[in-house]
Amino acid sequence: EDKVVQSPLSLVVHEGDTVTLNCSYEVTNFRSLLWYKQEKKAPTFLFMLTSSGIEKKSGRLSSILDKKELFSILNITATQTGDSAIYLCAVELPNAGNMLTFGGGTRLMVKP
Amino acid sequence: DAGVIQSPRHEVTEMGQEVTLRCKPISGHDYLFWYRQTMMRGLELLIYFNNNVPIDDSGMPEDRFSAKMPNASFSTLKIQPSEPRDSAVYFCASSYRTKNTGELFFGEGSRLTVL
Repeated sequence: EDKVVQSPLSLVVHEGDTVTLNCSYEVTNFRSLLWYKQEKKAPTFLFMLTSSGIEKKSGRLSSILDKKELFSILNITATQTGDSAIYLCAVELPNAGNMLTFGGGTRLMVKP
Repeated sequence: DAGVIQSPRHEVTEMGQEVTLRCKPISGHDYLFWYRQTMMRGLELLIYFNNNVPIDDSGMPEDRFSAKMPNASFSTLKIQPSEPRDSAVYFCASSYRTKNTGELFFGEGSRLTVL
């Protein structure tokens, strides 16, 4: 069965710290890997990664995919309290529309 | 566009009652997904539709759960009879496959509590 595993489960840091969130997957064949941020309500899209080794960046957030080792990381530099959220990693399977299989998420809390 | 619209936002019911959750996807999107989120199991896909046709319902936990999409702008998820273990946040999401972005657009969820 396809599986997506995220670590750590939860993380508490202070403002200004840098964090690295991990996502590993056991998927025989996949189309893309996506990162979402979930605050109090719906998950919102951050990145979609399809190619190994190419970093996607948006402000203080960046992400990269390693298809050989079957993992992705999400980095957040100079964290702010507004970064506190659950970060979800998901794998898009081919020939399944945009069906996503989600990991369990990493709960990040950034303290002032 | 208003985004994916779900109702009700909160529902508290008693065990054995029927629950109907509703979803209006983003206009023009051809895929619709129902997910359930709990602390223990995270986000689980229940069922998804393509052009109003159910494609994969293998995530539907039991026969007590059913979903319909009578037209491109409306879907329902029904639980009958409901049980306390059904308590969760139910998300509806839609996407536009042809855009090939992989991105799902989520509604704000329906929080269900079954007493």
